[in-house]
Amino acid sequence: GQQVMQIPQYQHVQEGEDFTTYCNSSTTLSNIQWYKQRPGGHPVFLIQLVKSGEVKKQKRLTFQFGEAKKNSSLHITATQTTDVGTYFCAGLSYGGSQGNLIFGKGTKLSVKP
Amino acid sequence: NAGVTQTPKFQVLKTGQSMTLQCAQDMNHEYMSWYRQDPGMGLRLIHYSVGAGITDQGEVPNGYNVSRSTTEDFPLRLLSAAPSQTSVYFCASSYTRTYGGGYTFGSGTRLTVV
Repeated sequence: GQQVMQIPQYQHVQEGEDFTTYCNSSTTLSNIQWYKQRPGGHPVFLIQLVKSGEVKKQKRLTFQFGEAKKNSSLHITATQTTDVGTYFCAGLSYGGSQGNLIFGKGTKLSVKP
Repeated sequence: NAGVTQTPKFQVLKTGQSMTLQCAQDMNHEYMSWYRQDPGMGLRLIHYSVGAGITDQGEVPNGYNVSRSTTEDFPLRLLSAAPSQTSVYFCASSYTRTYGGGYTFGSGTRLTVV
């Protein structure tokens, strides 16, 4: 069935450094969503990408959707301690998963002040 | 506007016991779903519903039942709890399965089966 792979699993950075997490799907996606989960919290929706090659920005966060709609990335510029948490990508495919969101395993970001 | 409300927040069960995890939303969302989150495994879909009276299985449905008698409520039943069901359970809802505004998650139920 459809799989969504996310790397790295963990990332430790110094405050002020940049951070990137990558998401790859085994199938072509109709869209991809990104969520953030703070420690002890629940996932919170950040953004959805739909178009091939789409790039969206939210302040220091930049989201990209690949040309083939099988990969995506989230880049954070100049990390802050408030960025700590786990970032999940979630892909929607009309293939073998009945069109439900399939989540990657997440990238856990820690930021050292 | 409460969003998605899950109860209880914490629960300890003995192997073989049954229980129901409650999920309610007040946003008039048609789509509701249950995920479990285990360390290093991300979020895995258990069951979902695209509207009242309609439910279907997700990726890991074994040992769980659901029903959707109203738009607002989507309870998850553990039939006979097993230690492998120790996890954090999240209920999520959305206007539709493909809604571009994303899913709204509840605060979770942390379940331990001993």
